[in-house]
Amino acid sequence: DQQVKQNSPSLSVQEGRISILNCDYTNSMFDYFLWYKKYPAEGPTFLISISSIKDKNEDGRFTVFLNKSAKHLSLHIVPSQPGDSAVYFCAASALGNEKLTFGTGTRLTIIP
Amino acid sequence: KAGVTQTPRYLIKTRGQQVTLSCSPISGHRSVSWYQQTPGQGLQFLFEYFSETQRNKGNFPGRFSGRQFSNSRSEMNVSTLELGDSALYLCASSLAGLISGYNEQFFGPGTRLTVL
Repeated sequence: DQQVKQNSPSLSVQEGRISILNCDYTNSMFDYFLWYKKYPAEGPTFLISISSIKDKNEDGRFTVFLNKSAKHLSLHIVPSQPGDSAVYFCAASALGNEKLTFGTGTRLTIIP
Repeated sequence: KAGVTQTPRYLIKTRGQQVTLSCSPISGHRSVSWYQQTPGQGLQFLFEYFSETQRNKGNFPGRFSGRQFSNSRSEMNVSTLELGDSALYLCASSLAGLISGYNEQFFGPGTRLTVL
């Protein structure tokens, strides 16, 4: 049972444009969400997080939006840069529980 | 501040053997979690330790075990290795338990285990 889903395995975006990565979850106990970026043979790098008391969080070029009623979150990257090419994972957890449940990842390719 | 370190980075074992992987968390972090990444199953949670105690456990067989030392360093052990145990094993640390609320987990580079 996949509790966190990333339905797009891959995404290609022109450099300078907006990249939008999507994530859906089914477990209503999740109240903390994170995005990680991963290069091959490396560990995931934390990008940005959001708790369920907010619907938006920004950090530089990265913005995460949370729609609790739809159980959906998205990561916006503006403007997209070639160095953003990587696999992006969304993850979810519940307060007080360190277990992260990951989605299957979306491979983002930025086209110069 | 140094990040999460894992040793060894690469390991080759044969079926039936056992293996021990090591993780040193970021200084000051007392929570250490372990994850397994495979192409078929993605990133799966193994277990989490805090103050030398296992707090959370994922759905893995008893062949997978871990421990944490008083300096927060952690080890993961896999006994009676199977071919399906070939994976990237990732360790993550966080300030959970020290600061209330939500705490991001920071990952190490992983140990690539190949079972032949």
